[in-house]
Amino acid sequence: DVVLTQSPLSLPVTLGQPASISCRSSQSLVYRDGDTYLNWFQQRPGQSPRRLLYKVSNRDSGVPDRFSGSGSGTDFTLKISRVEAEDVGLYYCMQGTHWPDTFGQGTKVEIK
Amino acid sequence: QVHLQQSGPGLVKPSETLSLTCAISGDSVSTNSGAWNWIRQSPSRGLELLGRIYYRSKWYFDYALPVKSRITINPDTSKNQFSLQLKSVTPEDTAVYYCASEWFRYWGQGTLVTVSS
Repeated sequence: DVVLTQSPLSLPVTLGQPASISCRSSQSLVYRDGDTYLNWFQQRPGQSPRRLLYKVSNRDSGVPDRFSGSGSGTDFTLKISRVEAEDVGLYYCMQGTHWPDTFGQGTKVEIK
Repeated sequence: QVHLQQSGPGLVKPSETLSLTCAISGDSVSTNSGAWNWIRQSPSRGLELLGRIYYRSKWYFDYALPVKSRITINPDTSKNQFSLQLKSVTPEDTAVYYCASEWFRYWGQGTLVTVSS
């Protein structure tokens, strides 16, 4: 199975400051159709995961534009331009290029 | 907007079968352009995809290797829902179970299933 390694696992941030999470894959996530099936999810305490970004950098409807995604091949990044209190929670990357789809281990974002 | 509503027991005895259902509104279980997933989440395993079903003129079933011998996912077109059965459960199967749409765009509310006698 494809292993996704996130870093850091814990990310204390100051309100209004930027935050960045890395996701590295054990294999290239470029599919034969040329797309890269790398998603990012947010999971607030006590809630189901919520998809933020799909295919690396496409924001889902309703997701604030302070969330952005970048990367290619095996290295990907989620950035929050200015962290707000509601951004506290766990963040996961997930790949859907190779069966079975796999998730990173999660990064906990908390306010300093 | 798709809504997924999960139902099923939260406590299962060891060696018995875990059964959950996910009712779909806003889409069809037999859509030719989607897939329907079961995922679980535990502190030891994190988020783990268990399997999925999808319809492309016929039904297809994909199961993750660790549970392949124990899992069944079935569609119910009459009720527009799909189900998860995991047999011969052990305490290792204790987790929060989620259903989700294709590409995990929409998720159910989650069901904590505890395997204990």
